[in-house]
Amino acid sequence: SAVISQKPSRDICQRGTSLTIQCQVDSQVTMMFWYRQQPGQSLTLIATANQGSEATYESGFVIDKFPISRPNLTFSTLTVSNMSPEDSSIYLCSVVTDTYEQYFGPGTRLTVT
Amino acid sequence: GQQLNQSPQSMFIQEGEDVSMNCTSSSIFNTWLWYKQDPGEGPVLLIALYKAGELTSNGRLTAQFGITRKDSFLNISASIPSDVGIYFCAGGGTSYGKLTFGQGTILTVHP
Repeated sequence: SAVISQKPSRDICQRGTSLTIQCQVDSQVTMMFWYRQQPGQSLTLIATANQGSEATYESGFVIDKFPISRPNLTFSTLTVSNMSPEDSSIYLCSVVTDTYEQYFGPGTRLTVT
Repeated sequence: GQQLNQSPQSMFIQEGEDVSMNCTSSSIFNTWLWYKQDPGEGPVLLIALYKAGELTSNGRLTAQFGITRKDSFLNISASIPSDVGIYFCAGGGTSYGKLTFGQGTILTVHP
C-alpha cells in the first residue's frame, strides 16, 4: 500500500487568488495523479503528474489554470490559479503502486468565496 | 468519454442484511476497483480486480469483474453500522491511474 498526505487539509480562499496543494507519499511511486471531486459528485481526473517533465492534462483542464510540479518520485504540487467559486471542490492526490493498486490521499477541501 | 452507471444511487438497510451494488459501462475496462469514502475523507481502496471473470473477497466484501469487461458488482455480507458511507466503482483503461468513476452508492445501515 501507500500512505499519502496532503497539505493543506482545507482552505477558504478569495476569488482571484491562487492556492498550492502539496502531496507527499511515503514511498517512491512512478505514477501520480490529481483528481477533483466537486460537491456531492464523483471524482474526475485532472492530470497525470510526470516526474521530470510537464504534466499531462485531461480534456477540460489546462496548465495555466492547474499548474503541476513533480520534482521527485514522492512529491507533487497542484496549484489552483485565479480561483473562482466554481473551483470549490475537494482536490485529491492519487498514486499507483508497483502492484498496480491505486490509492488516494485524504483530499484538500477548497472553498472559494 | 467513457461513463459508468452505478446503481443503486442509495440504499437504506438494516444491520445484518446483505448489500449488492453494481456498475455497468458501454466501454470495456481493463481493471475494476471499488472504493469507500467516508465524510471528510479520501476514497479507501476496498478491492481491485484485474482479470475478466475474477472474483475476489476481502472479509465481508466480495467483488467480481464481469466476463464482458463492461461491468462489476460489489457485495457486502452481514452489514454493520460502520459500513455506512459512499461506495464508488472505478474502471481503468490501458493507462494505469486514469480511472473513470461511477456516481457512487450511498449506503445507510440502521442498527
